[in-house]
Amino acid sequence: GQQVMQIPQYQHVQEGEDFTTYCNSSTTLSNIQWYKQRPGGHPVFLIQLVKSGEVKKQKRLTFQFGEAKKNSSLHITATQTTDVGTYFCAGPVGSNYKLTFGKGTLLTVNP
Amino acid sequence: ETGVTQTPRHLVMGMTNKKSLKCEQHLGHNAMYWYKQSAKKPLELMFVYSLEERVENNSVPSRFSPECPNSSHLFLHLHTLQPEDSALYLCASSQDWPNYEQYFGPGTRLTVT
Repeated sequence: GQQVMQIPQYQHVQEGEDFTTYCNSSTTLSNIQWYKQRPGGHPVFLIQLVKSGEVKKQKRLTFQFGEAKKNSSLHITATQTTDVGTYFCAGPVGSNYKLTFGKGTLLTVNP
Repeated sequence: ETGVTQTPRHLVMGMTNKKSLKCEQHLGHNAMYWYKQSAKKPLELMFVYSLEERVENNSVPSRFSPECPNSSHLFLHLHTLQPEDSALYLCASSQDWPNYEQYFGPGTRLTVT
């Protein structure tokens, strides 16, 4: 079925390095959402992108929505240990536009 | 964050037990969700209720039975579970369904022995 694919599955970085996770869909999405789940916690909504080519920033986090609205990325500049967690993208797919989550990217940061 | 609460936070039950998970949202939302999250699997959507009507049922075994008595409360009734049902069960709510940002509760960590 239609899915939202996310890569990489895991990423380990040294503190201060940058990090990027990518999200792809085989179909055009009306919007894309990003969530963060800390270890032992629950997913927390970060942001929603709606417009083609949209770029939004939250401090060191930069979110992009592709021109074709089929892909998105989350980039973290100069990672910190507080960035550790799993980052999920989610988009509406299928005939009922059900919000479907990617498998997530687990980020670990070495201090 | 106390917008969505879940009880209990931890539950250990035998395969012959019957238990219920409870979720309450204080956000005035119209849609509520149950998800299952296992160690090596992505978030699995189980059930969706919109305005107290079930709108999604993702081929979930009948040993899981949801109930939504009103727009603020959601239950997941459990009976004769299997060890592979051990997981984190997350409740979420959103303003409406199907495509709005979701707010998750802290989850119930379920262990089936």
